[in-house]
Amino acid sequence: ILNVEQSPQSLHVQEGDSTNFTCSFPSSNFYALHWYRWETAKSPEALFVMTLNGDEKKKGRISATLNTKEGYSYLYIKGSQPEDSATYLCAHNNAGNMLTFGGGTRLMVKP
Amino acid sequence: DVKVTQSSRYLVKRTGEKVFLECVQDMDHENMFWYRQDPGLGLRLIYFSYDVKMKEKGDIPEGYSVSREKKERFSLILESASTNQTSMYLCASSLGQGMYEQYFGPGTRLTVT
Repeated sequence: ILNVEQSPQSLHVQEGDSTNFTCSFPSSNFYALHWYRWETAKSPEALFVMTLNGDEKKKGRISATLNTKEGYSYLYIKGSQPEDSATYLCAHNNAGNMLTFGGGTRLMVKP
Repeated sequence: DVKVTQSSRYLVKRTGEKVFLECVQDMDHENMFWYRQDPGLGLRLIYFSYDVKMKEKGDIPEGYSVSREKKERFSLILESASTNQTSMYLCASSLGQGMYEQYFGPGTRLTVT
């Protein structure tokens, strides 16, 4: 059983749609929350590392928010493009070296 | 740019064979990790190393061992491969602990027949 949960598991949207995914994690002993994008046939790449409650980070059309008290993070993509198609992974760190990953949200953007 | 490379993209081995998966990073990172990825289960940590010759078990170490003789190289060893070890294996490295992003290799898809 994963204690980092991501929803939905998969998502199909049309080009131009905005979308968002959820990552929920244990709120106790929080240290950091990571988001990664994993495109098919490529390596996972870091999008954001967030550490403070209320953090908001943005990279182009992608942004993320963090609520450590209630244990969730949202990833938003504004105006989805086909090149955004990927699996989006979140991972929780409670100090130390280990990350606990969620199962991922697979996004498919249709042109 | 950080580069993490893995020795093979695809590998097919027979049950009972000893299997070595090699990972090399070129950014002088202290920490290196081995994960496996299975559908619906996310990335699960097998082992990690925070220094040369140092290792710690992750969530699913059974059936695996690791070796880190040099800082840039981290090897995953399947002593006697079994069919339930068929999976995608990903290596990663990071500069420091949990607030540092991890850099991943391209993965090795291992099939054990």
